[in-house]
Amino acid sequence: DTAVSQTPKYLVTQMGNDKSIKCEQNLGHDTMYWYKQDSKKFLKIMFSYNNKELIINETVPNRFSPKSPDKAHLNLHINSLELGDSAVYFCASSPWTDSGYTFGSGTRLTVV
Amino acid sequence: GQNIDQPTEMTATEGAIVQINCTYQTSGFNGLFWYQQHAGEAPTFLSYNVLDGLEEKGRFSSFLSRSKGYSYLLLKELQMKDSASYLCAVRELEYGNKLVFGAGTILRVKS
Repeated sequence: DTAVSQTPKYLVTQMGNDKSIKCEQNLGHDTMYWYKQDSKKFLKIMFSYNNKELIINETVPNRFSPKSPDKAHLNLHINSLELGDSAVYFCASSPWTDSGYTFGSGTRLTVV
Repeated sequence: GQNIDQPTEMTATEGAIVQINCTYQTSGFNGLFWYQQHAGEAPTFLSYNVLDGLEEKGRFSSFLSRSKGYSYLLLKELQMKDSASYLCAVRELEYGNKLVFGAGTILRVKS
């Protein structure tokens, strides 16, 4: 049983396209996150939702739009993809406070 | 804001002990985490310190000094499978459970 699952694992697409990455967790956690890991392996937070409410929205282009239909799901939609969007995107979840994250296996996005 | 520093790379020998340091500057500290990340995989939780002192967990230990803004991860009896990136992450007080990660230290274990 995968605790935090992301789909797809790999995504290759052309510049200008719109794509979505899905994330689901079965841990009963209240909080979910999207992180971006660039080519230098630096993990940087993008968004966080707590019980479907957006609580963290870092300086991210508005081409990126998260959506949380319920507390077990947090999807990421990206419009008008650019070359610089190529990275590994990790979904994670945690209880609200005082706990580390459980990460999904990542989605490697390549924009060509 | 946050500033987290760790060495970029380290090399150690199988069976040895290695210490990976992390220094941080933060406006509101609420805990420090260490994660392990193998190439092409997700980060996995190793340890958590919120009070000063040493936390031991099998072959892994983590130390925190809040007054010095300093932590280290100690790995004993190194095994080849310990070759990975080790990420130091600080939780910010005013952002719930937001973790800010350092760039990671790539550890290479040689036989």
